[in-house]
Amino acid sequence: DGGITQSPKYLFRKEGQNVTLSCEQNLNHDAMYWYRQDPGQGLRLIYYSQIVNDFQKGDIAEGYSVSREKKESFPLTVTSAQKNPTAFYLCASTTMGTGRESAGELFFGEGSRLTVL
Amino acid sequence: AQSVAQPEDQVNVAEGNPLTVKCTYSVSGNPYLFWYVQYPNRGLQFLLKYITGDNLVKGSYGFEAEFNKSQTSFHLKKPSALVSDSALYFCAVSSTGGGNNRLAFGKGNQVVVIP
Repeated sequence: DGGITQSPKYLFRKEGQNVTLSCEQNLNHDAMYWYRQDPGQGLRLIYYSQIVNDFQKGDIAEGYSVSREKKESFPLTVTSAQKNPTAFYLCASTTMGTGRESAGELFFGEGSRLTVL
Repeated sequence: AQSVAQPEDQVNVAEGNPLTVKCTYSVSGNPYLFWYVQYPNRGLQFLLKYITGDNLVKGSYGFEAEFNKSQTSFHLKKPSALVSDSALYFCAVSSTGGGNNRLAFGKGNQVVVIP
């Protein structure tokens, strides 16, 4: 079945360590997104990519990095520079297009919960 | 910049009663409006969207939403709530479509359906 796969589902990290969260999709979507979810704060955009080898910062990009070497993959690295990395991370994708008729909904992965010890 | 307000942190409703989850938005230009649902420790699932046309939008699992341009609202409704509808509901808005979809999400509403 088509969908988005995030791994790992749970991850524990010591302070000062970088960790990478995986996101793979087989929906043939051009655009991919990383969100951070904290209780009571909704979803905040970290990075997004609309095409291979290109990506843009979202609202809270500091302390994070991404790459988009393949259309199917959009990994997120949480670096040691991120002050408060404990959160639930969600990857999403959608179709590209122009005009109102192409406004596609986001498809989300199941999320990765990162805890810093 | 676009924004969404979901004024109630939690909505409690008895099973079988109507369910309403409120959402108001702010956006430059015409809005694209979405509702998503999230179950514990899961990703978000799409429920419905308003792009253009009929103000009443029908979606998954018996949910519907009404777009009201004058009140800048997009409230989610279900005529008869089920216990399985207990979840976190997010409203989202964008002013562009497709891959330029910089959605602004609300903080979410926890819905509790009481048996």
